[in-house]
Amino acid sequence: DAGITQSPRHKVTETGTPVTLRCHQTENHRYMYWYRQDPGHGLRLIHYSYGVKDTDKGEVSDGYSVSRSKTEDFLLTLESATSSQTSVYFCAISIGEAGGYTNEQFFGPGTRLTVL
Amino acid sequence: GQQVMQIPQYQHVQEGEDFTTYCNSSTTLSNIQWYKQRPGGHPVFLIQLVKSGEVKKQKRLTFQFGEAKKNSSLHITATQTTDVGTYFCAGRGGATNKLIFGTGTLLAVQP
Repeated sequence: DAGITQSPRHKVTETGTPVTLRCHQTENHRYMYWYRQDPGHGLRLIHYSYGVKDTDKGEVSDGYSVSRSKTEDFLLTLESATSSQTSVYFCAISIGEAGGYTNEQFFGPGTRLTVL
Repeated sequence: GQQVMQIPQYQHVQEGEDFTTYCNSSTTLSNIQWYKQRPGGHPVFLIQLVKSGEVKKQKRLTFQFGEAKKNSSLHITATQTTDVGTYFCAGRGGATNKLIFGTGTLLAVQP
């Protein structure tokens, strides 16, 4: 599983509260990603990182922020959780993009978040 | 923006029947990847196609990349119960040049 862990694995929270999800990798890969998975939408990219303190927005970044202060950790924060953010969140890593092509991504086990 | 659609959304087959899922992009792709996600699990990389018209096989699975590099397909011959799961394509291209996942096809196999 490429040494990827996510915490917590399950969380129930209330609307309006901040939530932070953690992704940890043990293999010093440069690229890390946060996705959300919802029925009918597949996997949608929230934010990604291409190095320490280097992050960028994905297609559904509103309401989310990220931080990467160490190579091994990529944090996703829901600043004020809403019910629409109830989802399964996956972290992924890749060794990067070589020759213009995207390398395969390795996914963590996921975090199931419920916002009441 | 770039969209990647998959059809069908759901397919139910009898064990031993064949299965095909199709992936279509609104823009030309530089490459396409396929992933499988077992129920309750996480997506797992299967394969990557890069060249126009490329065909790759993995045992009973055959992957194709269209000549125009805007579509792809995954065909499973003689399905088994272990094939159950959701199959996603993911393509890189368009203005963002990031990997965009398709909506997925959920395969159910009845023994």
